[in-house]
Amino acid sequence: DIQMTQSPSSLSASVEDRVTITCRASQSITRYLNWYQQRPGKAPKLLIYDASSLQSGVPSRFSGSGSGTDFTLTISSLQPEDFATYYCQQSYSTPFTFGPGTKVDIK
Amino acid sequence: QVQLVESGGGVVQPGGSLRLSCAASGFTFSSYAMHWVRQAPGQGLEWVATIRFDGSNKFFADSVKGRFTISRDNSKSTLYLQLKSLRPADTAVYYCAKDGLGGMATMDHWGQGTLVTVSS
Repeated sequence: DIQMTQSPSSLSASVEDRVTITCRASQSITRYLNWYQQRPGKAPKLLIYDASSLQSGVPSRFSGSGSGTDFTLTISSLQPEDFATYYCQQSYSTPFTFGPGTKVDIK
Repeated sequence: QVQLVESGGGVVQPGGSLRLSCAASGFTFSSYAMHWVRQAPGQGLEWVATIRFDGSNKFFADSVKGRFTISRDNSKSTLYLQLKSLRPADTAVYYCAKDGLGGMATMDHWGQGTLVTVSS
């Protein structure tokens, strides 16, 4: 099975900060990497698919990069509604594993 | 707009069974693979199962293999998850999700979830 790790596990940031979250796969997943946002008590929401493609309707301040085993989610200017937990997920092979999540809260 | 509405959750004793449903609307259900993902209280996301658009292939997490069954009725635009031999570790919110663009399991729309509690 492909294991996914994320760093950091949590971070504190201020509005308008630039935030970067890293995701690493235990083996190459080429570009089959997705990013989701989950606000408390809500269902996850797809932000980025295939490492760098922005899902329709998602603000352009979200971007993704990477390939192989190392990936990054960047929020260029953090907004109040962005305080949430972010999960990466590989869609390369079953089981479709998620990372443990990165919680972004207010500094 | 895409809408996914789960139902069927509840409290069940260990060893018991439950059937979850996910009613889909706003898209051509029969054209998309569908997924179940769960989230234990205070924990992260865990992929549970996937079914192809026509039901021809099904995939399961090892943690549920042999106990859970995924199925779909394309005439009713409904996805199902049959849960058997339930364990306390199966306690979670269960989400259904629609497949999207990209890789094999890119989940572009999610339901609100239904809570399954396994407890005596």
